[in-house]
Amino acid sequence: DTGVSQDPRHKITKRGQNVTFRCDPISEHNRLYWYRQTLGQGPEFLTYFQNEAQLEKSRLLSDRFSAERPKGSFSTLEIQRTEQGDSAMYLCASSSWRGRGYNEQFFGPGTRLTVL
Amino acid sequence: GNSVTQMEGPVTLSEEAFLTINCTYTATGYPSLFWYVQYPGEGLQLLLKATKADDKGSNKGFEATYRKETTSFHLEKGSVQVSDSAVYFCALSSRTGANSKLTFGKGITLSVRP
Repeated sequence: DTGVSQDPRHKITKRGQNVTFRCDPISEHNRLYWYRQTLGQGPEFLTYFQNEAQLEKSRLLSDRFSAERPKGSFSTLEIQRTEQGDSAMYLCASSSWRGRGYNEQFFGPGTRLTVL
Repeated sequence: GNSVTQMEGPVTLSEEAFLTINCTYTATGYPSLFWYVQYPGEGLQLLLKATKADDKGSNKGFEATYRKETTSFHLEKGSVQVSDSAVYFCALSSRTGANSKLTFGKGITLSVRP
């Protein structure tokens, strides 16, 4: 399977703990996006990378959140000092952007975070 | 900023019924419009898209037409099947920036009864 993969699929943590999620995009996709989806809502954009450069961060991404894509391949999203409001599904998507137009984003299955 | 508004759900239909799911948007410039579907236990999948006014996207019997004058992109299917039961999201991507980030509506759950 060469789709977008995310790990772990589920994470339960206690408030105040740090968590890290991983996303492996489709091979050779140069763009990688992170979204967050809470219950009953559509996904909301958090941040995106083109290769290893993080080009935009949403205001939703507080200082406790950090994302990296060190070699332009996989990406990690870390949440420090988790709060109950961080409980959500974290989605990763990748696309192959060629400099113009829109290129389809392919989504992974998501990581469901529950903060107790 | 950009926003997408979907009709309230959930929607329950009998098999072979006609489906319409309303979607309207607010955006600067000329966005691209999409319908994504999420089947139970699966990730988001692109169902169809339209990139300019009056374009019609179609896939798996679903259709949606980009209406700039009414800022709408309603999803329709002439005869739904049980296998169409899923959550449907309307989304847009602004052309004013090159990042192609998606702005989604809240989604609507469709249940189709045999």
